Amino acid sequence: DAGVIQSPRHEVTEMGQEVTLRCKPISGHNSLFWYRQTMMRGLELLIYFNNNVPIDDSGMPEDRFSAKMPNASFSTLKIQPSEPRDSAVYFCASTTSTYEQYFGPGTRLTVT
Amino acid sequence: GQNIDQPTEMTATEGAIVQINCTYQTSGFNGLFWYQQHAGEAPTFLSYNVLDGLEEKGRFSSFLSRSKGYSYLLLKELQMKDSASYLCAVSNNAGNNRKLIWGLGTSLAVNP
Repeated sequence: DAGVIQSPRHEVTEMGQEVTLRCKPISGHNSLFWYRQTMMRGLELLIYFNNNVPIDDSGMPEDRFSAKMPNASFSTLKIQPSEPRDSAVYFCASTTSTYEQYFGPGTRLTVT
Repeated sequence: GQNIDQPTEMTATEGAIVQINCTYQTSGFNGLFWYQQHAGEAPTFLSYNVLDGLEEKGRFSSFLSRSKGYSYLLLKELQMKDSASYLCAVSNNAGNNRKLIWGLGTSLAVNP
């Protein structure tokens, strides 16, 4: 199994630009999570989908952030417009159980 | 509110035993997880406890006391490769809700 796939692995952009992060969960997994990790705040859940439906988006910082899951094999996290404080590592994770979450390699975002 | 506390940093010697503590205060409890995260990599699952007691898995063991809101991860026969951040996470939702609340992590340095 290829594991959770994320792209791009690194993204450097200027303030005000739109950023789109992509995730392909493990085949057969029906839950998908988007996380943001920083030194100061640790790992924060942004949004969580179950069977392609958003279940909990209480962690989405503000209207600049949006996430979609059009089908079971693809999800996007979009930031528009991006700001320097959005700089972080963004992880996507998937699972089919209440136990282990499988994380992708992450996207390191730098907004200048 | 929801709170998970764990030490920020710990240091230990190769071959020794180290115990990483985690205390939690959550509105509900449906299991406690430990994840390992090497620098620059994604978190990977180590253990899951939902009942009181000790769960042993090779060199790693995890303990839970629900009445005390307390868990620890015990690492035996430490190896240099065990240098990593260890994240404690709690599921406070019953049923099929898979959202986790995460601690900030304990950075463990194993010295020769």
